[in-house]
Amino acid sequence: DGGITQSPKYLFRKEGQNVTLSCEQNLNHDAMYWYRQDPGQGLRLIYYSQIVNDFQKGDIAEGYSVSREKKESFPLTVTSAQKNPTAFYLCASSTPNPGVSTDTQYFGPGTRLTVL
Amino acid sequence: AQSVTQLGSHVSVSEGALVLLRCNYSSSVPPYLFWYVQYPNQGLQLLLKYTSAATLVKGINGFEAEFKKSETSFHLTKPSAHMSDAAEYFCAVSRGSGTYKYIFGTGTRLKVLA
Repeated sequence: DGGITQSPKYLFRKEGQNVTLSCEQNLNHDAMYWYRQDPGQGLRLIYYSQIVNDFQKGDIAEGYSVSREKKESFPLTVTSAQKNPTAFYLCASSTPNPGVSTDTQYFGPGTRLTVL
Repeated sequence: AQSVTQLGSHVSVSEGALVLLRCNYSSSVPPYLFWYVQYPNQGLQLLLKYTSAATLVKGINGFEAEFKKSETSFHLTKPSAHMSDAAEYFCAVSRGSGTYKYIFGTGTRLKVLA
């Protein structure tokens, strides 16, 4: 089955530690995204990547870093510089090819990060 | 700049009643519009999308939405609510093919009363 997987589902971190969230897709999508979700604030874009080895900052990139070495994978690192990292993190992907799709983003199940 | 406004962060309806979740958008170019549903501790699932074809869009689980350009609205409706519809619903706008960013509304949590 094609889809997006995120691991782990729950993650606990001590203050001052970096942590990496995994996102893998087997949909052959070119574009991938990371969102942060907080209660009452909807989804906010952290980083996105349109193609392998390229990525751009979203609206709230400070304290986060990403890499895109493979088409299938887009890991997110939450660094110790992120002041309030406790949140639900969602990964998504899409294939913006004209005539094939209309930019629909497909989401993974999410990772809930809690900083202790 | 584009924006999305969802009126009502919480909506309650009785089982069997009409569901109406409101979404208004602002866009300087013809938009693509989406409705997603999220169940607790899960990712988002696409309900339906508007891509400038038909203005009345039918989605999964009996939901539909109507694009009204004059009102800049894309409200989500379902004729008869079911208990399983209880979830959070997000409206989103994209500028169109080749553009990679969505703007999401803040969400509406739907509660269905027995």
